[in-house]
Amino acid sequence: AQSVAQPEDQVNVAEGNPLTVKCTYSVSGNPYLFWYVQYPNRGLQFLLKYITGDNLVKGSYGFEAEFNKSQTSFHLKKPSALVSDSALYFCAVRGISSNTGKLIFGQGTTLQVKP
Amino acid sequence: KAGVTQTPRYLIKTRGQQVTLSCSPISGHRSVSWYQQTPGQGLQFLFEYFSETQRNKGNFPGRFSGRQFSNSRSEMNVSTLELGDSALYLCASSRGLAGGTGELFFGEGSRLTVL
Repeated sequence: AQSVAQPEDQVNVAEGNPLTVKCTYSVSGNPYLFWYVQYPNRGLQFLLKYITGDNLVKGSYGFEAEFNKSQTSFHLKKPSALVSDSALYFCAVRGISSNTGKLIFGQGTTLQVKP
Repeated sequence: KAGVTQTPRYLIKTRGQQVTLSCSPISGHRSVSWYQQTPGQGLQFLFEYFSETQRNKGNFPGRFSGRQFSNSRSEMNVSTLELGDSALYLCASSRGLAGGTGELFFGEGSRLTVL
């Protein structure tokens, strides 16, 4: 069965510091991996995805994520956090052999960036 | 280009009633899926539709149903509402037959409160 784990309910970081939001996954075969962000009372916004190729993926708003197959991880990173990055972040996976668009989401990590 | 549109944004119902939520996908997108978001359970997959056919269904009771119309618009219905159905219901669309590398584009959600 496919699953995603986000081990931290909340991550706190000071503005200007680098941030990392962790994600590990379990899927049969190769994965397609996604990060989404959700602001209060809003839907999910797509940030980036890993399909194949370079393990470092760059996305929207200066975010990037590193795919590590041996550790089955796909951590979200940003070199310098902004207060406006404070939101709820979701990691999601879809199996490469899946014939459905269904995404399996992690429980989410709240990112708090303090001035 | 307009995004995914969900109506209504907010609604309040009482136990035992039924509710219908509507979703208009991005123009040209033929796949629509629905997710339920609650603080306790996170994001859970409800259904997925492509070309008016249900392609996949999550683990929800039969009170939850959906359909897709020829213009790709979708509705979901919940009958005999229970308190536990209070949630944010998110609709997402994608371009082709769901699956593979495509990300999902989410609407703002319909927040249902059951009293």
